[in-house]
Amino acid sequence: EAGVAQSPRYKIIEKRQSVAFWCNPISGHATLYWYQQVLGQGPKLLIQFQNNGVVDDSQLPKDRFSAERLKGVDSTLKIQPAKLEDSAVYLCASSLTTRSSGELFFGEGSRLTVL
Amino acid sequence: DAKTTQPPSMDCAEGRAANLPCNHSTISGNEYVYWYRQIHSQGPQYIIHGLKNNETNEMASLIITEDRKSSTLILPHATLRDTAVYYCIVRPNYGQNFVFGPGTRLSVLP
Repeated sequence: EAGVAQSPRYKIIEKRQSVAFWCNPISGHATLYWYQQVLGQGPKLLIQFQNNGVVDDSQLPKDRFSAERLKGVDSTLKIQPAKLEDSAVYLCASSLTTRSSGELFFGEGSRLTVL
Repeated sequence: DAKTTQPPSMDCAEGRAANLPCNHSTISGNEYVYWYRQIHSQGPQYIIHGLKNNETNEMASLIITEDRKSSTLILPHATLRDTAVYYCIVRPNYGQNFVFGPGTRLSVLP
């Protein structure tokens, strides 16, 4: 079974530039999450989708971050314009539904460095 | 905020059992205890979860105290590949997302 795919693995940009991350969840998984993980901390939820609808985006900085999940499969997370404090690993995860056994499957993450 | 408290770091000798504690004194009756781990440069990986009974799978055992205010994750024979950050999470088994704290950094020493 293929896992959660993310790209790019690494990205370096200058502040005020824009960046986009892509995630392809496990086939059939209705729920998709984007987490931000700053060095030395645990992952923090940015946004949760159920199919192509947003369930929770309360911690998404909406002035600069946006995410979409068209057709309820792949998802894209965009940052525009980036700030220095956005340097982090962006993790995508998926699960069958929010009412599953609770097992989240994570991708390897996209590491962003903002200079 | 995370509803759990874990020691920031622990060491364990290779081949010995690793016992990772977690305090969750404010846990509610419908909340499960989950454990994930994160090996360097990888995404978190599910280990095990439970409600009130002890649980065991091929990776680990989960011991939950009778009052459910604390739990212990046991890796019976730790190997160098078990070196990782271990996260203990309290969550209802539906709906809400997983809130990760800083976890416990386990170092398995040769």
